[in-house]
Amino acid sequence: EPEVTQTPSHQVTQMGQEVILRCVPISNHLYFYWYRQILGQKVEFLVSFYNNEISEKSEIFDDQFSVERPDGSNFTLKIRSTKLEDSAMYFCASNGNGGEEETQYFGPGTRLLVL
Amino acid sequence: AQSVAQPEDQVNVAEGNPLTVKCTYSVSGNPYLFWYVQYPNRGLQFLLKYITGDNLVKGSYGFEAEFNKSQTSFHLKKPSALVSDSALYFCAVRDNNAGKSTFGDGTTLTVKP
Repeated sequence: EPEVTQTPSHQVTQMGQEVILRCVPISNHLYFYWYRQILGQKVEFLVSFYNNEISEKSEIFDDQFSVERPDGSNFTLKIRSTKLEDSAMYFCASNGNGGEEETQYFGPGTRLLVL
Repeated sequence: AQSVAQPEDQVNVAEGNPLTVKCTYSVSGNPYLFWYVQYPNRGLQFLLKYITGDNLVKGSYGFEAEFNKSQTSFHLKKPSALVSDSALYFCAVRDNNAGKSTFGDGTTLTVKP
């Protein structure tokens, strides 16, 4: 069964450093998303991406964040200068059009710890 | 704006008993409704969805949910709970196929032997 994959599974970084979180969405999907979940809290939307551009972003997604689809398979989230409060689990998700493709499937997540 | 409410932080049931995890939603258009389950230190696993059609939808692991438009609810149910069902359950809503998902706060289900 196709699945969304994410790397790394865990990342520890120093405050102020840049991190890049990587995702490989399901291959025929068209819509891509990043969410985050601070420990013990709800899942929050960060950004959606379609047709090589951001279609929607939340107020969390400030200038420190960027997304990119550098090739036909990868979808990345970059945090330019990490803050302590960026520590969270980051989930990538994707969906397609119609039928089963309407389901938004989530990757296993990257646990980011900013020290 | 869209929103989801899961009124119970915690649901406790005995193994073999039926379980219900409640969810109500608010969305401007036709709702796309989903249930996900999260086991400790794991990702979000899709359980079931309602997009259109029959109000009662069946999903993975014997779970089902009933869409009730008048009550704007989408409660998750299972006739006979298993200890292995113990996990964190999230209800989510979208208002179109390309849109973001908005999640509820989650409900921790504990099934005791």
